[in-house]
Amino acid sequence: EAGVAQSPRYKIIEKRQSVAFWCNPISGHATLYWYQQILGQGPKLLIQFQNNGVVDDSQLPKDRFSAERLKGVDSTLKIQPAKLEDSAVYLCASSPSRNSPLHFGNGTRLTVT
Amino acid sequence: GIQVEQSPPDLILQEGANSTLRCNFSDSVNNLQWFHQNPWGQLINLFYIPSGTKQNGRLSATTVATERYSLLYISSSQTTDSGVYFCAVISSGSARQLTFGSGTQLTVLP
Repeated sequence: EAGVAQSPRYKIIEKRQSVAFWCNPISGHATLYWYQQILGQGPKLLIQFQNNGVVDDSQLPKDRFSAERLKGVDSTLKIQPAKLEDSAVYLCASSPSRNSPLHFGNGTRLTVT
Repeated sequence: GIQVEQSPPDLILQEGANSTLRCNFSDSVNNLQWFHQNPWGQLINLFYIPSGTKQNGRLSATTVATERYSLLYISSSQTTDSGVYFCAVISSGSARQLTFGSGTQLTVLP
């Protein structure tokens, strides 16, 4: 089966600019996750969708981050405006249901200068 | 929320050696996964193991849910085993997010 697809692989922007990341989960996976991984740390959940509804966004900095999952398939994560501390790898994952194993994409490495 | 602690934080081995990585968690869990993050940053599923024992080639894992820990065994290590190994869990409680430990950085020397 095809894995989780993410794009772009790399992005460099200046602070205060905006950026968007795209994720296409494994076909049929109802649950989609966005994680942020800062260098040297484990991934941290930003937002979790069940189909096209938000299940958990308690750790999403909502003043600058937004995410949507239209039609319960693809998802986009946006940062506007970016700060230096947003430099990280943004990982998308999907699973068939909320207690099933997660499968991760290759991530987008964001550098904010 | 649930706490996940991994040990050791760093491990250096000679090729061919065996190792054991440990994951302790502070609450009962519905989901426990072991991941390998390779030097290119890709997170690879190793095991989905909320309880019991599983083996896949040179790797095996055991989770003792009642005692809130899991172990990952790597036998006859190879240089390609290098990277960071993460344990991640979903609590049985109301919080349903997959929470990661801080990882074990493994370096296998030729």
